[in-house]
Amino acid sequence: AQSVTQLGSHVSVSEGALVLLRCNYSSSVPPYLFWYVQYPNQGLQLLLKYTSAATLVKGINGFEAEFKKSETSFHLTKPSAHMSDAAEYFCAVSDTGGFKTIFGAGTRLFVKA
Amino acid sequence: EAGVTQFPSHSVIEKGQTVTLRCDPISGHDNLYWYRRVMGKEIKFLLHFVKESKQDESGMPNNRFLAERTGGTYSTLKVQPAELEDSGVYFCASSQAGGLGTDTQYFGPGTRLTVL
Repeated sequence: AQSVTQLGSHVSVSEGALVLLRCNYSSSVPPYLFWYVQYPNQGLQLLLKYTSAATLVKGINGFEAEFKKSETSFHLTKPSAHMSDAAEYFCAVSDTGGFKTIFGAGTRLFVKA
Repeated sequence: EAGVTQFPSHSVIEKGQTVTLRCDPISGHDNLYWYRRVMGKEIKFLLHFVKESKQDESGMPNNRFLAERTGGTYSTLKVQPAELEDSGVYFCASSQAGGLGTDTQYFGPGTRLTVL
């Protein structure tokens, strides 16, 4: 069965610092991988997705993620954090059937002024 | 274009009562999904509709949960009778073509259910 592990339920960075949110997955087949963000009182918004076209995936709001098959990782990064990036971030993998999404437990990002 | 909407945004009920959650997908989206996040845990898949048909309901916890999508438009998720462990946030999502490799699921804001 596919699964996703997000390392760190809470991450705190200073404004302007690098953001690194870690995600490891397990899958017996080439996966589709996703990062979603949830801002307060809003739904989940897709940041980016990996579908095997390119290992470095660029998303919205300056975020990107790199698929590393050898490490079974899909870490999310942003060079410079903004206060507006404070939210909860979810890494996810698609089910082998390609329809249902399997989520990690989420990482809440705090950005300090 | 309106996004996925869910109603109500919050619901507080007592154990044993019935609650019905509603989801309106993006117009034209044949695929509709329900997910649930119990406090502090992962968001878990509940079920998937293609139009009015249940494609996959493997995530439904038990027979106290009933999902419908009459006419292939909006969907309801009824919990009857509600138990304490049903508390959590229920998300709905919709997508146009289905198949995550080529399609994006758009999520609603969720309904926060509290069972006392």
